[in-house]
Amino acid sequence: GAGVSQSPSNKVTEKGKDVELRCDPISGHTALYWYRQRLGQGLEFLIYFQGNSAPDKSGLPSDRFSAERTGESVSTLTIQRTQQEDSAVYLCASSPWGQGTRQPQHFGDGTRLSIL
Amino acid sequence: KQEVTQIPAALSVPEGENLVLNCSFTDSAIYNLQWFRQDPGKGLTSLLLIQSSQREQTSGRLNASLDKSSGRSTLYIAASQPGDSATYLCAVRGAPGAGSYQLTFGKGTKLSVIP
Repeated sequence: GAGVSQSPSNKVTEKGKDVELRCDPISGHTALYWYRQRLGQGLEFLIYFQGNSAPDKSGLPSDRFSAERTGESVSTLTIQRTQQEDSAVYLCASSPWGQGTRQPQHFGDGTRLSIL
Repeated sequence: KQEVTQIPAALSVPEGENLVLNCSFTDSAIYNLQWFRQDPGKGLTSLLLIQSSQREQTSGRLNASLDKSSGRSTLYIAASQPGDSATYLCAVRGAPGAGSYQLTFGKGTKLSVIP
């Protein structure tokens, strides 16, 4: 498949545990985004990676959230000491750079995270 | 802060009808606007992307318009089919500057097309 791949598709964990979510962008896409979609809410921007530039972390809701990306490949989003309000679908998107922000973002199917 | 509103929140129509979904945004300084479709349990599928300099984009039975000055976009679906049933999301990207790569999303319109 040539699309954005996210794993796991579903994750259920106990409050207080750490979780790690993975995103494989489309090959050749230099820009990678993480969003969160809570029930009944619109998508919220979390973090943005562009090539080797410093990521924009301005959307991360707390210091329990962090993300990494190696070069232009896989990204992981880590949530430490999970809370029930972290329950949401976490969506990853990628886009080519090319003409910069003129490119559409392509989304994965998301990871549905449930905190018990 | 940009805010995106989609009306109606839900819409049910009989098969074959033409329909219009509405999106409004508060800050007209946008770079582009994108319409997505989201099926239950799935990610977002990009339908149409309209750059700020454009007025409309068409793809098959879909037509999206953009009136940047008034902060509005519409998604027109012709001859609706049951397979069009999904949630439709509108998202805007801010003008060049801080955060311009971020998309600000509306909460979506849930469309049901009844056979």
